[in-house]
Amino acid sequence: GQNIDQPTEMTATEGAIVQINCTYQTSGFNGLFWYQQHAGEAPTFLSYNVLDGLEEKGRFSSFLSRSKGYSYLLLKELQMKDSASYLCAVRDSNYQLIWGAGTKLIIKP
Amino acid sequence: IAGITQAPTSQILAAGRRMTLRCTQDMRHNAMYWYRQDLGLGLRLIHYSNTAGTTGKGEVPDGYSVSRANTDDFPLTLASAVPSQTSVYFCASSASGGADTQYFGPGTRLTVL
Repeated sequence: GQNIDQPTEMTATEGAIVQINCTYQTSGFNGLFWYQQHAGEAPTFLSYNVLDGLEEKGRFSSFLSRSKGYSYLLLKELQMKDSASYLCAVRDSNYQLIWGAGTKLIIKP
Repeated sequence: IAGITQAPTSQILAAGRRMTLRCTQDMRHNAMYWYRQDLGLGLRLIHYSNTAGTTGKGEVPDGYSVSRANTDDFPLTLASAVPSQTSVYFCASSASGGADTQYFGPGTRLTVL
């Protein structure tokens, strides 16, 4: 079966750095996405990785290792507005997105 | 209109009633999707359409139907609602059904009693 695993919840301090991990087992791989979802709102696109390595975009970076079936999202200089759920999704061999249940990130002052 | 709109924002529905959730996009995207999101579960694909005139079944299609008469609209119909269809429903679109990023509408919160 296809499976995406993420921690259910994480807590971090304002100004700090946090790493959210995602491991996956899917039928084929055609890219990995990270989305941010604030409570009661729609998911919004953060990053896309299809090749191994690190993609940096401002305070957010995303890393992919296809051989390990592993990705992480790194958030630096955390702000209160970063409190949200972070969703990992893998595009499988049929080009359908398989979604993890999301990681709820709580930022404390 | 900018992006994707969904209607209604929320709805309470009696079991057995028919309900259509509306989704409209103005980005001229070819592909559109319907997901449901339930607590503790990832987004699950209900139906999708890679281009106007074609539709396909996702992971959880039973009890739902869709149509794609034109590029902009992709309504989702529950023929006879059941309580297990209580969920938040998101419509999404992408430029194509391949490697493009999906963009989401604001969602419809549906409660079936």
